Amino acid sequence: QVQLVQSGAEVKKPGASVKVSCKSSGYTFSSYGITWVRQAPGQGLEWMGWISVYNGNTKYAQKLQGRVTMTTDTSTSTAYMELRSLRSDDTAIYYCARSEDPFFDYWGQGTLVTVSS
Amino acid sequence: QSALTQPASVSGSPGQSITISCTGTSSDVGSYNLVSWYQQHPGKAPKLMISEVTKRPSGVSHRFSGSKSGNTASLTISGLQAEDEADYYCCSYAGRSTYVFGTGTKVTVL
Repeated sequence: QVQLVQSGAEVKKPGASVKVSCKSSGYTFSSYGITWVRQAPGQGLEWMGWISVYNGNTKYAQKLQGRVTMTTDTSTSTAYMELRSLRSDDTAIYYCARSEDPFFDYWGQGTLVTVSS
Repeated sequence: QSALTQPASVSGSPGQSITISCTGTSSDVGSYNLVSWYQQHPGKAPKLMISEVTKRPSGVSHRFSGSKSGNTASLTISGLQAEDEADYYCCSYAGRSTYVFGTGTKVTVL
């Protein structure tokens, strides 16, 4: 069965970086993309961006351009999302999801990233 | 890119039908038949309920259906059940490989 398992919760100070992992299993990793979505406490879902596992192409939300990098490691079927220069409003649950464009059909369990001094 | 507009809350009694609207613009919802809907229970990850406006993934109840007219997409839940109480989000392709989510709707079963 398709599974996406994310890394554990993180606590970071403002200005630091965080790298969240998302390990996929149960399907051919390179045949789908990975989308990242975040959800601030008590708020809605926000699309962060997408990476093609096949060729590494990426597309990021304009508001995150320059601070976010999405990568994959096909040898371990793992996707990564790195966010730099963290601010308090980056505190959120970060989700990875398998992209079967134009929708996201399987989701990870989420990773809570807390940014606090 | 602004979030798509959804009502903050919708409620209904068991067995009733409810409809959640999702209003975008001619740059997203209005331009593409690429709207999906997600259900999220508290503390859980979102779950795909509808793709490409009307398509229901395997395993999703037939009580869920989607439609679109102009810049507004809709999700209808018929025969409302207690387990349907959750937050619902629409999502639309917005061009240039980008997507935008709706503001979210809390569904309450009375």
